[in-house]
Amino acid sequence: AQSVTQPDIHITVSEGASLELRCNYSYGATPYLFWYVQSPGQGLQLLLKYFSGDTLVQGIKGFEAEFKRSQSSFNLRKPSVHWSDAAEYFCAVGVFDFGNEKLTFGTGTRLTIIP
Amino acid sequence: EAGVAQSPRYKIIEKRQSVAFWCNPISGHATLYWYQQILGQGPKLLIQFQNNGVVDDSQLPKDRFSAERLKGVDSTLKIQPAKLEDSAVYLCASSLGDRVNEQYFGPGTRLTVT
Repeated sequence: AQSVTQPDIHITVSEGASLELRCNYSYGATPYLFWYVQSPGQGLQLLLKYFSGDTLVQGIKGFEAEFKRSQSSFNLRKPSVHWSDAAEYFCAVGVFDFGNEKLTFGTGTRLTIIP
Repeated sequence: EAGVAQSPRYKIIEKRQSVAFWCNPISGHATLYWYQQILGQGPKLLIQFQNNGVVDDSQLPKDRFSAERLKGVDSTLKIQPAKLEDSAVYLCASSLGDRVNEQYFGPGTRLTVT
């Protein structure tokens, strides 16, 4: 069965600084990978996704992520964070199996931005 | 395009009471999901519908939880009777369903069981 590990429960970053959120997955085949963001009281919004091809994917709000098969990782990055980026970030692995698509989420990383 | 709608947004009930949540997916989305998100955790899939049929309910506590998707559109999730550990946010999501697709999430219903 697939699984996702987000080793950082909480990260604090200064506004304008760079950001990297870690995600490691476990799955026997090439995974479909996603990053979602959840603001307080809101549902999840897709930031970016990797299905195949270029291992560096660009998303919304200036985010990017790099798929590294050798490390089973899909880390999320942003060169300069804004106060509005404060939220909870979830990495997920998607599996398409017997006609069913399923997402398995990590436990999330809470991002705090300080002035 | 309207997003996924959920109601109510908040609900407080006492243990052993019953509660129901409603979800209206994005028009044309064949697949509908209900997730449970306990504080400090990622969403956990409870049940997945493809049109009006259940394709995965392996993690649904069937002794107290039930769900249906009427005419392949709206869905309701019911808990009866509720337990303290059911306190969570219940998220509904939908997708086109023909391959691994982006899932679109509603704002969720925050349930507090006292």
